[in-house]
Amino acid sequence: DTGVSQDPRHKITKRGQNVTFRCDPISEHNRLYWYRQTLGQGPEFLTYFQNEAQLEKSRLLSDRFSAERPKGSFSTLEIQRTEQGDSAMYLCASSSKGANEKLFFGSGTQLSVL
Amino acid sequence: AQSVTQPDIHITVSEGASLELRCNYSYGATPYLFWYVQSPGQGLQLLLKYFSGDTLVQGIKGFEAEFKRSQSSFNLRKPSVHWSDAAEYFCAVGSMNYGGSQGNLIFGKGTKLSVKP
Repeated sequence: DTGVSQDPRHKITKRGQNVTFRCDPISEHNRLYWYRQTLGQGPEFLTYFQNEAQLEKSRLLSDRFSAERPKGSFSTLEIQRTEQGDSAMYLCASSSKGANEKLFFGSGTQLSVL
Repeated sequence: AQSVTQPDIHITVSEGASLELRCNYSYGATPYLFWYVQSPGQGLQLLLKYFSGDTLVQGIKGFEAEFKRSQSSFNLRKPSVHWSDAAEYFCAVGSMNYGGSQGNLIFGKGTKLSVKP
């Protein structure tokens, strides 16, 4: 169990650029979540996958955001035409399907949009 | 509206003293309740959770929490704080969602805990 891995740890970009983050969940976990955390706030749910299917999306997730999990393993989160308001920590979590679900979080990708 | 309130932004306690972090929630359905801890550079770690049954829940690192439905509260406690407990603590609420997922959580804004030697 190597934990949830996120790459990169930090990303600085200019407004209007596209960025992509990657999340590698714990290998046997079939559920994967993306959250966003801004300074002084708790994490906010963005979207959730069960295997390769994206089952739920938050209204926070604008059309500029897209997430994929093509083979039910790693996931990517892309933000197009970044805005300064997108600056945040993007967290990924994974879990196993079950009655007593427990989320394991990665350390996050810190995005700064200049 | 569904929400979680952590009234204390920052708490400082002396090492060895007892700790109580407050959490109040507003949630329409039967809630699942969680406490997470976040240390700098670390991912969120689950301390404990309440799904049903005994309202006093034991967690890792000596923490416990008590679910009080009448007060819509889920306060976190520890009898004796260690310097290594300094971190940010988040209360969260959720329920069973589409596909059986329990991971769509609503988090509070967090309470930062500082520990004095």
